[in-house]
Amino acid sequence: QKEVEQNSGPLSVPEGAIASLNCTYSDRGSQSFFWYRQYSGKSPELIMSIYSNGDKEDGRFTAQLNKASQYVSLLIRDSQPSDSATYLCAPYRDDYKLSFGAGTTVTVRA
Amino acid sequence: NAGVTQTPKFRILKIGQSMTLQCTQDMNHNYMYWYRQDPGMGLKLIYYSVGAGITDKGEVPNGYNVSRSTTEDFPLRLELAAPSQTSVYFCASSYSRVAGGGRETQYFGPGTRLLVL
Repeated sequence: QKEVEQNSGPLSVPEGAIASLNCTYSDRGSQSFFWYRQYSGKSPELIMSIYSNGDKEDGRFTAQLNKASQYVSLLIRDSQPSDSATYLCAPYRDDYKLSFGAGTTVTVRA
Repeated sequence: NAGVTQTPKFRILKIGQSMTLQCTQDMNHNYMYWYRQDPGMGLKLIYYSVGAGITDKGEVPNGYNVSRSTTEDFPLRLELAAPSQTSVYFCASSYSRVAGGGRETQYFGPGTRLLVL
C-alpha cells in the first residue's frame, strides 16, 4: 500500500465548476496535512494546510480532513484556467519528512 | 527575502561525472531538505539537516552526499553520476519540525533539472 494515494488524473473541469481532489494516507501518526500546487516545470507551492478534522476554507479553496478515515480532500470552487496544475497531497508527522502523493493533474477548460 | 535559491537551473552530466547542487535560504530556517522528483511521481526525500553540522539520510540517499556548514547553505553532492539520477532536484527549508503550528511548513526552491547521459 502506498503511503499517500491521490485520485488518478488528469481531472478535466469546465471553467467555473468545482474540482474535487481526494487523498488517502496510511500513516495514522500524520498530524499536519498540506496541499501544494505545482505548475509544469515549477516547484511546489503551498496553497492549504489543515490540522484538525473538519473543513478549512481559504478563498476558493476548501480542505477537508477526516483522520479516522485517513482521508483529506481539496475542493476548488469556481475553477479558473490558472488553476490548471498538479496538486500534491502531503501528510506530515513530527519527523521532518513530508510524504508526497504522485499528484492529481487538473485541467480547467474554458 | 529571496527565499530558497538553487543553482544551477539545468545541467547535463556524463555517466561517472560528479557535481554539486547548491541551495541557499535566507529565512533563517533551521531545517533544510533535498528531494528528487521523477516524472509523474511524488517527491522523495534524499537527505535532510536539522541545523549546521547535522545531517541525516532520507528515503533515497544512495549516490548522494550532503554537508551543512552554515545555517544558510545545504549543498548536495552527486558522486559518479548514473542515468538513474536523472531527475528534478528540489531543496526546501522550514523553521521548525514540530507538527501543527504552521512553522513546519516546507518552502521549496525553484529546482535543478539534471540529465545524466
